[in-house]
Amino acid sequence: QVQLVQSGTEVKKPGASVKVSCKASGYTFTSYGITWLRQALGQGLEWMGWISAYNGNTNGNTNYAQKFQGRVTLTTDTSTSTAYMELRSLTSDDTAVYFCALELGIRLDYWGQGTLLTVSS
Amino acid sequence: DIQMTQSPSSVSASVGDRVTITCRASQDISTYLAWYQHIPGKAPKLLIYGASTLQSGVPSRFSGSGSGTDFTLTISSLQPEDFATYYCQQANSFPRTFGGGTRVEIK
Repeated sequence: QVQLVQSGTEVKKPGASVKVSCKASGYTFTSYGITWLRQALGQGLEWMGWISAYNGNTNGNTNYAQKFQGRVTLTTDTSTSTAYMELRSLTSDDTAVYFCALELGIRLDYWGQGTLLTVSS
Repeated sequence: DIQMTQSPSSVSASVGDRVTITCRASQDISTYLAWYQHIPGKAPKLLIYGASTLQSGVPSRFSGSGSGTDFTLTISSLQPEDFATYYCQQANSFPRTFGGGTRVEIK
């Protein structure tokens, strides 16, 4: 069965970077894209970006929300069926649960369990 | 970017009630609209995609309708496990965008 398993809880200081992983199984990794989203406490779901797992973050195969442009990088490792989300220059506003999800065209069918990121000095 | 506006932001209802949530897109998105249920501490769950197609395994009390800019999610008879927050999301174009969410609370 399809599974997305994310890396564990992270605690970072302001200004630092974080890299969250999302290991996929149960389907052909390169057939679909991976979406990254987050939810801060008390806030709604926020779409961060999408990456095609077919050929990773080569030009034209990623899409980012304007809000995160220049601060987030999505990558994939097809040898391990793993997607990564790196977020830089962290502030307390980045404290949130981060999710990866498998995008089957027009829907997010399967989700990772979420990764809690806390940014605090 | 396409803006998605949900209403109401919260609703109080009792078990057995019919609940309707609306979602409006700032431009025509055809039927590229999905609905998700989110219970705190869990991953969001896909309920409806293509505006009206019920995801496999989702109870038939959930239904979706609409096209263009106006969409509706209906829960025909609210069950205890349905108390959650519901989000619409457009999949017509990048960046994907979500509505602000509708919290369904126990009356």
